Parts: sequence; C-alpha cells; structure tokens
Amino acid sequence: DAGITQSPRHKVTETGTPVTLRCHQTENHRYMYWYRQDPGHGLRLIHYSYGVKDTDKGEVSDGYSVSRSKTEDFLLTLESATSSQTSVYFCAISESGGLGNEQFFGPGTRLTVL
Amino acid sequence: DQQVKQNSPSLSVQEGRISILNCDYTNSMFDYFLWYKKYPAEGPTFLISISSIKDKNEDGRFTVFLNKSAKHLSLHIVPSQPGDSAVYFCAASATGGFKTIFGAGTRLFVKA
Repeated sequence: DAGITQSPRHKVTETGTPVTLRCHQTENHRYMYWYRQDPGHGLRLIHYSYGVKDTDKGEVSDGYSVSRSKTEDFLLTLESATSSQTSVYFCAISESGGLGNEQFFGPGTRLTVL
Repeated sequence: DQQVKQNSPSLSVQEGRISILNCDYTNSMFDYFLWYKKYPAEGPTFLISISSIKDKNEDGRFTVFLNKSAKHLSLHIVPSQPGDSAVYFCAASATGGFKTIFGAGTRLFVKA
C-alpha cells in the first residue's frame, strides 16, 4: 500500500469553526489531491497540488483553502465550517499529473459539522 | 453538469456470473479512463485503466471496454466473487490535465 495517512480520521465540529485536515505521504509523489465524497456525487475534486507551494482549484473549491509547504504534507482548511461541508474527505497522490495518473488514496476523514 | 455518468446506482449479481458496470462520458477531450474500487470505510483503490488508443484492456478477471464513438465504457468482471462486492467508480482524464473526473459510482452486490 502507498504510504498515505490522513488525520484526524473522524471529527465533529460546530458551524463557524475552523477545521484543518492533514494528508501525509511517504512516497515522494509530486501530485496531491483533496476530494470529498457525497452520496450521488461520487468523488469531487476540491483542490490539488502539482508541487511544493503550487496548488490550484478543483470542481468544488468554495469554502476551502489548501497549503503545501513540504512535498509530504498537504493541508485542507475549512476557514468557517458549514453543515454543507459534512462529508468524507479523501486525500490522493500520484506520480504523474496527466495521462496515466493512477491515484493512490488515503483512508479518508469523516467530518461532521453540526 | 456531470461529465462522467454512472447511471446505475447499484447492481446485484450471482456468484460465478458476469458483472457488467457501465459508464458514459460527455467530454471528447478525455483520453484516459480508469476504474476504482472502494470498500466501506476505506479509500478507493485503482483497479484497471484504458487509453483511448485501445478498445479493450484485460487484467485477470477484469476487462474494460471502450467505445469512443458512443463515449461509453464498461467494466466486465468474470467470474464475479463475493469479495467483489464494493462501490466501483469510473473516472476520466485528459492529456495535459491534472484533474481526474469521477462518476457517482455503482454499488455491486455479488450474492453467494
């Protein structure tokens, strides 16, 4: 298995509070991604990174920010959590960003915003 | 607007029979397609892929077929086993792009 960990694995928070999710990899892969999984929507890309300090928006980036100061860490921040951000969040990594970019996923973080 | 569509939310198949999972896409720029498998409480895992220069790719019990003119691909599992019971996601990407677009998934139940 690819070395990807996510922390925390579960979190319950209240509306309006900031939340940071961490993704850590030991594979030295260049590309990292944050997805959310919701019933009926599959996996939707929030943000991705193509190198240290290089990030870009995905399909559903509103309300989220990311940072990548080291190759191995990719942080996802909800500045002010809302109930619509209740979801399961997956981090993924890949060696290449284009064709053939099979991604390896972390175990997920279940976030509940009350 | 969903660019990758899996119109069957679920599929039930008897052990030993063939499972066929379908996927349609709308973006003609997509040229690489992947299937991922996901068990409950785990992250998705890569299963099989196909490039648009091929119309078939096989790996053991799993075969993916691509029909570019119809913008349709399918995953065949033969023979199906109870351990194949999972959610299967179809995904697509385009050359030069960093993004992979996923479908909503199909939950497969293989009955013993």
